[in-house]
Amino acid sequence: AQSVTQPDIHITVSEGASLELRCNYSYGATPYLFWYVQSPGQGLQLLLKYFSGDTLVQGIKGFEAEFKRSQSSFNLRKPSVHWSDAAEYFCAVGARQAGTALIFGKGTTLSVSS
Amino acid sequence: GAVVSQHPSRVICKSGTSVKIECRSLDFQATTMFWYRQFPKKSLMLMATSNEGSKATYEQGVEKDKFLINHASLTLSTLTVTSAHPEDSSFYICSAQQASGNTIYFGEGSWLTVV
Repeated sequence: AQSVTQPDIHITVSEGASLELRCNYSYGATPYLFWYVQSPGQGLQLLLKYFSGDTLVQGIKGFEAEFKRSQSSFNLRKPSVHWSDAAEYFCAVGARQAGTALIFGKGTTLSVSS
Repeated sequence: GAVVSQHPSRVICKSGTSVKIECRSLDFQATTMFWYRQFPKKSLMLMATSNEGSKATYEQGVEKDKFLINHASLTLSTLTVTSAHPEDSSFYICSAQQASGNTIYFGEGSWLTVV
């Protein structure tokens, strides 16, 4: 079955510290991979995506993610967290053919302490 | 980048009434649109997939007679919540995909409150 697992429900990080949010997936074929961020009451904002090529993907707001096929993982990282990064983060996977919806993980809530 | 617009962004309706949410792709033709529902502090749950000109494909457990989805044109899909109940109150998000690409674009979401 296709699924996305985000093992950490809630993470608190000190401002300026590094961040890693975990994402593991189960998919029948090589998927497309995404990370989205959602602020309270808002829609989704795409942080980055992986389709092919370099397995280290750079995104907006200083985020990056690394696709590791052997571990079925697509972890999100940021070297220095800002208070404005506090939000809900969703990992998602999608098929390589058009017409297939993204499957989302349950999300990780990021809190930033000063 | 491509833009997907949802309207209304917030709506309050009375129990028993119907409410329609629109999802428009503003600068591309969306052959496929997806509708999600999100409960507070929860993930996005796929409700249905609609292809232009075809009947929507609903996910298991989603009442197709209650959540009517129409995708009559390549730029517009609508979700109508019929005979709304308070438990239908939720955040509904649409996304759209063009035939020529694999990227899926999300709307800003619509808050529905049924009183």
